[in-house]
Amino acid sequence: DAKTTQPPSMDCAEGRAANLPCNHSTISGNEYVYWYRQIHSQGPQYIIHGLKNNETNEMASLIITEDRKSSTLILPHATLRDTAVYYCIVFKGGSEKLVFGKGTKLTVNP
Amino acid sequence: DTGVSQDPRHKITKRGQNVTFRCDPISEHNRLYWYRQTLGQGPEFLTYFQNEAQLEKSRLLSDRFSAERPKGSFSTLEIQRTEQGDSAMYLCASSTRPVPGTEAFFGQGTRLTVV
Repeated sequence: DAKTTQPPSMDCAEGRAANLPCNHSTISGNEYVYWYRQIHSQGPQYIIHGLKNNETNEMASLIITEDRKSSTLILPHATLRDTAVYYCIVFKGGSEKLVFGKGTKLTVNP
Repeated sequence: DTGVSQDPRHKITKRGQNVTFRCDPISEHNRLYWYRQTLGQGPEFLTYFQNEAQLEKSRLLSDRFSAERPKGSFSTLEIQRTEQGDSAMYLCASSTRPVPGTEAFFGQGTRLTVV
C-alpha cells in the first residue's frame, strides 16, 4: 500500500473550515483514499473515501488532485466535537487491512 | 445500541496471566477485524475473519495471541502469558463487504494494562 504523509498537528477556529492535507505520491491507480478520525478514548470513525473523483457526504468533503498524489479532507464548519486525530489511508483490494499512520491531531478552538 | 461492542472496556492484569477479550460485531456483518493501538500510534492490523474463517494474520500476532470466531458472529482474542509490551488498546471492527468501497465500523476498544 502507498505511504501517506500528514502534518502531525493543526489548529482551526470553531465555525471555520478545517482543511486537512495528505500526501500520497506513490499511490497507484486502483488504490482508494480513506479518511478516518479518532476522538480521544474512542475507536476510529469512518469519514469518507474516494478513488478519483471528489466526494462529499454529511460529514466532510474529500478533494483528490487530478494526479491523485495528494488529497484534502474538508470539514466545512468545524465544531469543538471535531477535535480528533485524523487518519489518511491509501488502500487497495487484495488485503483487508487498513494501514494507519500517526495521523493529524486537529484541535478546534473556541 | 447497534454498533460494534467490545468487552471489557478496561482490563488490568499481572504479567504472565492470560486474558480474553470479546467483540460483538454489527449484526449480519460477515467481516471482523482486530487491531492493536499503542499510545501515540495509529491502530495496527492484527487479524481478519470472514464469517468463521480467519483469512489474514499479521506478523504482530505472535504465538501467544489467538483469535476465534466460532460461529461467524462474535469473536474472542486471547493473549497468553501477557507481557508488559502487550499493554495497548485492542480494537475490533466489522464490515459487510471488502473494505475498499465500504467502511469498517470500529468498537470502543478494550484497554489492556499489564503490570
